Amino acid sequence: DAKTTQPTSMDCAEGRAANLPCNHSTISGNEYVYWYRQIHSQGPQYIIHGLKNNETNEMASLIITEDRKSSTLILPHATLRDTAVYYCIATSQTGTASKLTFGTGTRLQVTL
Amino acid sequence: DGGITQSPKYLFRKEGQNVTLSCEQNLNHDAMYWYRQDPGQGLRLIYYSQIVNDFQKGDIAEGYSVSREKKESFPLTVTSAQKNPTAFYLCASSISGTARSDTQYFGPGTRLTVL
Repeated sequence: DAKTTQPTSMDCAEGRAANLPCNHSTISGNEYVYWYRQIHSQGPQYIIHGLKNNETNEMASLIITEDRKSSTLILPHATLRDTAVYYCIATSQTGTASKLTFGTGTRLQVTL
Repeated sequence: DGGITQSPKYLFRKEGQNVTLSCEQNLNHDAMYWYRQDPGQGLRLIYYSQIVNDFQKGDIAEGYSVSREKKESFPLTVTSAQKNPTAFYLCASSISGTARSDTQYFGPGTRLTVL
């Protein structure tokens, strides 16, 4: 299973872009990169995922380096409601099932 | 309104009692999962099921049991054999559970406190 490494915490001013990095240097060619976030005492919320191309949806953009060893989640205009723990996960297989292995994530604090 | 529901939100039990946590989904997903989260930690997989009447152990299955009699329901029983049951329990579901791009969607969680 590929291990991911994220900074423990980050700050971002409201209205600015939040760029959250993730290293996954041991990721294999068929492992996807997933991003979830968790607001305190709630279930994780799916944000975005990708394999090797950059992806964008209504919540965020995901930039994956060409060698796939790292990625960056971009929240284009952060708001106070984006304050949460953000998890970067490389999917793996357990038996025939897809598996998510959560680390401790990055605690993003958005401030006025 | 489609989604995953977990009940109750907070649950208190005395030590030595078994307790069952409910998880229901109306997304027509084949796969369902149970995770445990301890304070300041990530989620750890307890059990998962890819099809009705079948389930598999995850990374920390000891002291837990599950059943999958219906596609939409995947209850988790925390038994008295679980040494540290106090935790936040999260249920998730996904379309098939087999593809690496199979996105898991989470319920709101149940916070279990054993006194």
